[in-house]
Amino acid sequence: RKEVEQDPGPFNVPEGATVAFNCTYSNSASQSFFWYRQDCRKEPKLLMSVYSSGNEDGRFTAQLNRASQYISLLIRDSKLSDSATYLCVVTTSYNDMRFGAGTRLTVKP
Amino acid sequence: GAVVSQHPSRVICKSGTSVKIECRSLDFQATTMFWYRQFPKKSLMLMATSNEGSKATYEQGVEKDKFLINHASLTLSTLTVTSAHPEDSSFYICSASYGTASYEQYFGPGTRLTVT
Repeated sequence: RKEVEQDPGPFNVPEGATVAFNCTYSNSASQSFFWYRQDCRKEPKLLMSVYSSGNEDGRFTAQLNRASQYISLLIRDSKLSDSATYLCVVTTSYNDMRFGAGTRLTVKP
Repeated sequence: GAVVSQHPSRVICKSGTSVKIECRSLDFQATTMFWYRQFPKKSLMLMATSNEGSKATYEQGVEKDKFLINHASLTLSTLTVTSAHPEDSSFYICSASYGTASYEQYFGPGTRLTVT
């Protein structure tokens, strides 16, 4: 079983749609959780951290369920510029960052 | 702040030669740097973790004699792919962190290596 699992997609949605990505992790000792965004042939960029209480940043909402070892990312009112691969990242310590394989999103006009 | 650069951004080399990739933290001191590789449509895979002034810690399955890592200063780490083969062709990305003070890693723009 992979340490961090994501639905690879691709998700093809029209502009303005709401889309949700899920991620599960296997290590119950995991401590920190993030969503990164990676554009084609570029490095990953931090999108947002994920907290147990859930957190929102504009059109993006992240949720963490420690009991189910599950993380989600919700994007509302999708823009063309949201097209990218979204990486779920889980860490157990500062030097142990594990990446999911990513979920590809394409937002179409 | 927290800018990490990599050089070169792209390199093509012949099979059997060695290639050095540099990773620099431009505006902070990185006690720890990480090296990843990414194959097309695959996730980033951690290759090794390097702390300034000490030997790198390699992940299982990564050959330390093939992927030489040097972290000589708080702002520079290098990865040398020795005797490169076509299967080493990949996207190599470094990241840097402040160390135990933060879980966040700052990524370099990556180096695309093609071995012919």
